Amino acid sequence: AQSVTQPDIHITVSEGASLELRCNYSYGATPYLFWYVQSPGQGLQLLLKYFSGDTLVQGIKGFEAEFKRSQSSFNLRKPSVHWSDAAEYFCAVAASGTYKYIFGTGTRLKVLA
Amino acid sequence: DAGVTQSPTHLIKTRGQQVTLRCSPKSGHDTVSWYQQALGQGPQFIFQYYEEEERQRGNFPDRFSGHQFPNYSSELNVNALLLGDSALYLCASSDGTATGELFFGEGSRLTVL
Repeated sequence: AQSVTQPDIHITVSEGASLELRCNYSYGATPYLFWYVQSPGQGLQLLLKYFSGDTLVQGIKGFEAEFKRSQSSFNLRKPSVHWSDAAEYFCAVAASGTYKYIFGTGTRLKVLA
Repeated sequence: DAGVTQSPTHLIKTRGQQVTLRCSPKSGHDTVSWYQQALGQGPQFIFQYYEEEERQRGNFPDRFSGHQFPNYSSELNVNALLLGDSALYLCASSDGTATGELFFGEGSRLTVL
């Protein structure tokens, strides 16, 4: 069965510092992978997605993620965090041929001024 | 261009009651998915509607049912409410392809007392 693990429930970084949010997935074949962000009282917004090809994916708001098949990981990174990045981040996986996304439990990011 | 709209935004029900939540998809989208997001958890897939039919279903009991109308809008119905049904219910629309991006609404927060 497919699953997604986000090991960090909370992460706190200082504004301007770099950020890496971890995501590990379980799936036999190459999955479709996503990162979404959810601000308080808001729906989810897609940051970036990976289907195939280049394993380094660029997204919106300066985020990027790298797909590593050998580690079953799809970690999200940002070189310099802004206070407005404070939100909850969800990693999700979808199997090829399915329409169901499986989400991790999320990582809540706090940004210190 | 209106995004995904959901109504109502908040509602309170008592155990045993029934609730109907509504969703209008983003313009140009013909597919609607529903997710349940319990407090502190990631969204969980309930089902997806395409061409007025339930195309895929997650692990939710039959108390959860849905409908899609010819204009692609959708309803989620939950019967015999339980305390555990308290959650944020998210609607997401897409273009119906397996790789189509999900666009989420801001959700309907249901509290069951």
